[in-house]
Amino acid sequence: GENVEQHPSTLSVQEGDSAVIKCTYSDSASNYFPWYKQELGKGPQLIIDIRSNVGEKKDQRIAVTLNKTAKHFSLHITETQPEDSAVYFCAASIPGTYKYIFGTGTRLKVLA
Amino acid sequence: NAGVTQTPKFRILKIGQSMTLQCTQDMNHNYMYWYRQDPGMGLKLIYYSVGAGITDKGEVPNGYNVSRSTTEDFPLRLELAAPSQTSVYFCASSYSAPSTNEKLFFGSGTQLSVL
Repeated sequence: GENVEQHPSTLSVQEGDSAVIKCTYSDSASNYFPWYKQELGKGPQLIIDIRSNVGEKKDQRIAVTLNKTAKHFSLHITETQPEDSAVYFCAASIPGTYKYIFGTGTRLKVLA
Repeated sequence: NAGVTQTPKFRILKIGQSMTLQCTQDMNHNYMYWYRQDPGMGLKLIYYSVGAGITDKGEVPNGYNVSRSTTEDFPLRLELAAPSQTSVYFCASSYSAPSTNEKLFFGSGTQLSVL
């Protein structure tokens, strides 16, 4: 069935270092890949997304890359700050359906 | 705009009790969703609606019911609560379908414990 694998499940980095979270999807027809950030006690919020016709997208300190051949996409956060500490979810849209498949989440801790 | 509003934020139920989780959005979104979030399991879709009067099952619908009488409201009903329904529940909405690359707006969640 449709599946999105996300790694790692937890990630600790020193403030100022970079963080990378990786996802692999199973449905080759998936064409939209959003990333959501969930802060403690809040609902997930979209932080960046990428469509299948683009290989990379950047927004200030965050970037997402997509490798359609390998069915991989990754979130890159540079110059991490304490406020980046949160749970991050990747997702893939399933064409022809009304749903996304979410990864299992990565808890990022930025150590001051 | 308030966005997506969920109530209550926390609830403890006894086994066999029933309750309704409320969700309302003020963005005039057609699509609404209920997800549950279990530790290490990501978000699983319970039910969704593509407009008033139309609902359909997601990945994990057993033990739940929904209704969509208005564009704004999408309540989730738990009948005969079971410990397996202990989870965090999120309501979400979007203007159009995920297949159109539309982002989801989430509520702040309801933490439910069934004891």
